[in-house]
Amino acid sequence: LAKTTQPISMDSYEGQEVNITCSHNNIATNDYITWYQQFPSQGPRFIIQGYKTKVTNEVASLFIPADRKSSTLSLPRVSLSDTAVYYCLVARIHKLIFGSGTRLLVRP
Amino acid sequence: GAVVSQHPSRVICKSGTSVKIECRSLDFQATTMFWYRQFPKQSLMLMATSNEGSKATYEQGVEKDKFLINHASLTLSTLTVTSAHPEDSSFYICSAGLAGANTGELFFGEGSRLTVL
Repeated sequence: LAKTTQPISMDSYEGQEVNITCSHNNIATNDYITWYQQFPSQGPRFIIQGYKTKVTNEVASLFIPADRKSSTLSLPRVSLSDTAVYYCLVARIHKLIFGSGTRLLVRP
Repeated sequence: GAVVSQHPSRVICKSGTSVKIECRSLDFQATTMFWYRQFPKQSLMLMATSNEGSKATYEQGVEKDKFLINHASLTLSTLTVTSAHPEDSSFYICSAGLAGANTGELFFGEGSRLTVL
């Protein structure tokens, strides 16, 4: 299973765009890139998933360069409620191994 | 979307007793479910893979006699923490994925916080 590396923490302010980059140098051909969000005392929640190029949904965008060795989760105009831990995972099966995640703090 | 539910959400027990946590897939069938534990300020640690109709597969370092997993139906997996001790106090989370959708998208339960006194 490919190992991922992402910043331990990030700070932002309400209304700003936040970009969290994850590196996954050993990603395999069949791996998908998936991001999860976790609030304290809750299970993780699926945010977005992609294989290559750009994916956008109602809450985020995911940018994946051609070599797929990294990915960037983009959260537009964050609010206080986006304060959470964000996990980047790469996998082709349901067995997910979580890394340390990025603790995002959104300030007023 | 697919929903996974856990029960109880919180449980407090005395040291030496056993506690059972249930994980249900409410609107889909899950041949495989996963159990994680999470300590404060730490990431999720995969404990075991629960397989319907067969034995669970435990990750290295997880005691299978301590954490009993039963997956008797396609919608229910249970985790029993036997002879619980204070160091077993943790947040336990289960998850399941849609069969055939092997892309790494999992649906997680709300988690169960176990406190052992």
